[in-house]
Amino acid sequence: QSVLTQPPSASGTPGQRVTISCSGSSSNIGINTVNWYQHLPGTAPKVLIYSHDQRPSGVPDRFSGSKSGTSASLAISGLQSEDEADYYCAAWDDSLNGWVFGGGTKVTVL
Amino acid sequence: EVQLLDSGGDLVQPGGSLRLSCVASGFTLSTYAMTWVRQAPGKGLEWVSSINHSGGSTYYADSVKGRFTISRDTSKNTLYLQMNRLRAEDTAVYYCAKGIFGVVQIGYFDSWGQGTLVTVSS
Repeated sequence: QSVLTQPPSASGTPGQRVTISCSGSSSNIGINTVNWYQHLPGTAPKVLIYSHDQRPSGVPDRFSGSKSGTSASLAISGLQSEDEADYYCAAWDDSLNGWVFGGGTKVTVL
Repeated sequence: EVQLLDSGGDLVQPGGSLRLSCVASGFTLSTYAMTWVRQAPGKGLEWVSSINHSGGSTYYADSVKGRFTISRDTSKNTLYLQMNRLRAEDTAVYYCAKGIFGVVQIGYFDSWGQGTLVTVSS
């Protein structure tokens, strides 16, 4: 059972908007920043969003993040076939004194 | 260019030991916090351990505390994970990851190794 809760799957057709939620608590998302990672099988994970809503250079603006209270969300607009991957939220947890990840959401492009 | 090359994964019996290495290039280990993250077969990413830029602060997941030790050799610019008393549930691909700051608790992981497979089985 992951400390951060994500839906196991999400899907959409090309061009649609998909949103992934990440629910935490006052010891992690409530007081620390949230990062989102994209992971394709057999490859190294890649940061998509950091500090709730910031995109590293090179990440398309189709990806956006937000945070409210103890929850965060990742939105993918204009869904593309290459967006098929697993997506993870992560945050530092002050109570556990460590990083915590969500269980991951597998995005399928129909 | 920042690169992380992790290695050392192998098949090991339960109760055995293994040391993973992560050779860093393009930056100096003593400047940034470093982390190990693993992914068990069919499971999600799990944080394992982190070390700050000076090496003076280390952090472990409860699942590995007392069995794993994170360290680094700045002369070799290499990060290590010494894994003892291995269990079947430690079977996973292990990734090293670089933080963007020297402290562990803030920032994010901006570079990752390609992963090394550890299999614990008799």
